[in-house]
Amino acid sequence: NAGVTQTPKFQVLKTGQSMTLQCAQDMNHEYMSWYRQDPGMGLRLIHYSVGAGITDQGEVPNGYNVSRSTTEDFPLRLLSAAPSQTSVYFCASRLRDSRHIQYFGAGTRLSVL
Amino acid sequence: AQTVTQSQPEMSVQEAETVTLSCTYDTSESDYYLFWYKQPPSRQMILVIRQEAYKQQNATENRFSVNFQKAAKSFSLKISDSQLGDAAMYFCAYRSAKTGANNLFFGTGTRLTVIP
Repeated sequence: NAGVTQTPKFQVLKTGQSMTLQCAQDMNHEYMSWYRQDPGMGLRLIHYSVGAGITDQGEVPNGYNVSRSTTEDFPLRLLSAAPSQTSVYFCASRLRDSRHIQYFGAGTRLSVL
Repeated sequence: AQTVTQSQPEMSVQEAETVTLSCTYDTSESDYYLFWYKQPPSRQMILVIRQEAYKQQNATENRFSVNFQKAAKSFSLKISDSQLGDAAMYFCAYRSAKTGANNLFFGTGTRLTVIP
């Protein structure tokens, strides 16, 4: 059982470049989300999705786009990377009912130079 | 927005001893969930324990237990018989139980060192 899989694990970008962080889950979870983790801070919600075709903004959405074409996949796009987006990014998923546990991927460490 | 406060940036404990990590939160809601997550150097976020606010009984998971004080909005984690593998960052987190509530609010974390 793979759980939540994030790729890549590490990435270095130059300012202005674009890239997509991939996230896939095999647990048939309706709810998926992206967080960023910065030094000295807890995780903060970027975007989330409650099902295929439905996405919404979280606490820190600026500079990021998401889409959800399938239940399994929830990619995060950086259209024009900035140094302020240097962070560790986590994808998470759970069943729709908020009682359920949220499972996290292993994270992607992104550096923007 | 709800806030979660972890006032201990770092803690240390001797192996086999007991340590308590503190967490307080601010909310006007009555129904919610509280979590402790462990983040070892591998970066993986691992759920340690969960508490449902409407349950008065404190949650326990083997060597891990919580002291949930709803009126005081306090949610501390006690680790008994500490092991070297317990060394990690520990994050306290809050989520509303309202339908459609989606955000998991995290504290800033406590780095736990286990001394052999």
